[in-house]
Amino acid sequence: DQQVKQNSPSLSVQEGRISILNCDYTNSMFDYFLWYKKYPAEGPTFLISISSIKDKNEDGRFTVFLNKSAKHLSLHIVPSQPGDSAVYFCAASHTSGTYKYIFGTGTRLKVLA
Amino acid sequence: DAGITQSPRHKVTETGTPVTLRCHQTENHRYMYWYRQDPGHGLRLIHYSYGVKDTDKGEVSDGYSVSRSKTEDFLLTLESATSSQTSVYFCAIAAGRGRAGTDTQYFGPGTRLTVL
Repeated sequence: DQQVKQNSPSLSVQEGRISILNCDYTNSMFDYFLWYKKYPAEGPTFLISISSIKDKNEDGRFTVFLNKSAKHLSLHIVPSQPGDSAVYFCAASHTSGTYKYIFGTGTRLKVLA
Repeated sequence: DAGITQSPRHKVTETGTPVTLRCHQTENHRYMYWYRQDPGHGLRLIHYSYGVKDTDKGEVSDGYSVSRSKTEDFLLTLESATSSQTSVYFCAIAAGRGRAGTDTQYFGPGTRLTVL
């Protein structure tokens, strides 16, 4: 049972345009969400997070939106750059006592120059 | 650089042999995790540790055991490796200072394991 789903395995976007990566979750206990970026042959690196008390969090070119009623979050990258080409994972946790994180399957973003 | 190293970085072994992967951290973080990354499955938690000698199972713990006798080291053991355990293994750490589940996890560089 996949509790965190990224239904698009890959996405191609032109440089300068917006990239939108989506993530859905099924467990209503999840109340904290994170996005990680992964380059080949490296470990994932933290990008941005959002708590369920918010519906938006912004950090530079990266914005994460959370729709709790739809159990959906999205990562927007504006403008997209070739260096953003990587695999993006969303992850979820619930803050009621566990330090475990559930990751999605990842979306490979390719930004075309 | 979060001070995480993994060893070995690459390993090829045969079915049925025992394998131990090591994760070492220099930050004294309380939480340590082992994940495996496979195509179509993303990152799946194998085991995690919340202190010396304190460990718990993740989503895919069958066939794996862990030990943490020192804060800085978290070992993952495959008692009898199988071809289904061919994967890339990542260690991660988290400080555990904030509310549960809100800490940023820092990942190691990964170990590519091939079981023939």
